[in-house]
Amino acid sequence: QKEVEQNSGPLSVPEGAIASLNCTYSDRGSQSFFWYRQYSGKSPELIMFIYSNGDKEDGRFTAQLNKASQYVSLLIRDSQPSDSATYLCAVAGGGADGLTFGKGTHLIIQP
Amino acid sequence: SAVISQKPSRDICQRGTSLTIQCQVDSQVTMMFWYRQQPGQSLTLIATANQGSEATYESGFVIDKFPISRPNLTFSTLTVSNMSPEDSSIYLCSVEDASAQGPYEQYFGPGTRLTVT
Repeated sequence: QKEVEQNSGPLSVPEGAIASLNCTYSDRGSQSFFWYRQYSGKSPELIMFIYSNGDKEDGRFTAQLNKASQYVSLLIRDSQPSDSATYLCAVAGGGADGLTFGKGTHLIIQP
Repeated sequence: SAVISQKPSRDICQRGTSLTIQCQVDSQVTMMFWYRQQPGQSLTLIATANQGSEATYESGFVIDKFPISRPNLTFSTLTVSNMSPEDSSIYLCSVEDASAQGPYEQYFGPGTRLTVT
């Protein structure tokens, strides 16, 4: 059974600092990795995806993937209060698959 | 990305009744999925809605309880049948354009908040 593990938090980070969110997954056959942001009462919003080992940067966000360690992370630079949300890590196998989600990390950016 | 709408946005239903949730996309998409998010929990995949054939259900979900239709490439419905309070959740549809190059990003609709009394 596929499992995705995240620290539920809350993770508290001062404004302007780097927030680091981590995720591990159990299925070595997983091919695609996603980070979603979910504000309270809203649906998940895709912010990053990665499928090759290494780093992928998009603005203030960097996703990191290490398939050998079955580890995915998301770095948020220059954290803003508006980044306060739950961050969901999701994993898919090859092809057009449904996603397996972690329980999410609640991130709080302190002004 | 595609614009996804769901109807209803929320509903309060009595136990033993059924509710059909609609998901409409503004463009043709290859894949549509249905998820459930129980209170305070993460998302769980219910099924893949296959166009022109029966849906593919995940372990723990059955067609009699969650019948799904997908008559075309822009529309799908999920019915929650014979509801009980344990079915109180947010139900979300998502879409994915598998004709594009991978890794096949999925985008979510706004969700339907269901409360069963």
